[in-house]
Amino acid sequence: GDSVTQMEGPVTLSEEAFLTINCTYTATGYPSLFWYVQYPGEGLQLLLKATKADDKGSNKGFEATYRKETTSFHLEKGSVQVSDSAVYFCALSSQGAQKLVFGQGTRLTINP
Amino acid sequence: NAGVMQNPRHLVRRRGQEARLRCSPMKGHSHVYWYRQLPEEGLKFMVYLQKENIIDESGMPKERFSAEFPKEGPSILRIQQVVRGDSAAYFCASSPNTGREQYFGPGTRLTVT
Repeated sequence: GDSVTQMEGPVTLSEEAFLTINCTYTATGYPSLFWYVQYPGEGLQLLLKATKADDKGSNKGFEATYRKETTSFHLEKGSVQVSDSAVYFCALSSQGAQKLVFGQGTRLTINP
Repeated sequence: NAGVMQNPRHLVRRRGQEARLRCSPMKGHSHVYWYRQLPEEGLKFMVYLQKENIIDESGMPKERFSAEFPKEGPSILRIQQVVRGDSAAYFCASSPNTGREQYFGPGTRLTVT
């Protein structure tokens, strides 16, 4: 079945560091890919998405490119802030299916 | 435009009691999804509903769990005879149509004592 594998956390960085959180997936066909962010005690917020190969999703300085050849959707940000501390989830939605399949989440902590 | 609303935010039940979790989708959204998040894990799909219909319940445990989305009112996730392993955060999401992104509520954190 469909699955998503994320880089294990927790990840701790200093402010203004470069961030990469790896995400790879297994799915049939051409899934849509998402990154969600969860702040403490809150629900998930959609951070960015990409619906076809080579699409780049971006939002709030975060970017991820849909790479079909490597089945990856790595999240990057050039300069992180303390306010970026949260749990980040990679997810996919397969063609013809409505449910989201999530990775296990990566907890990110940014120190000032 | 209010977001997805869930209540209660926190629910404590003793083993053997029933838990009822409510979800009001965003205005104009007729598709509702329920997910469960166990501690330190990702979210797992449970069930997908449209008004008055269950479309996909492939993630629902076979016993004790049920869901509905009536013509009027919120979607309800019902857990009968709760056990400690049911302790988790339950998230509801909604979307206006199929194939569209899902918007999540703040979740209900169920604790079974």
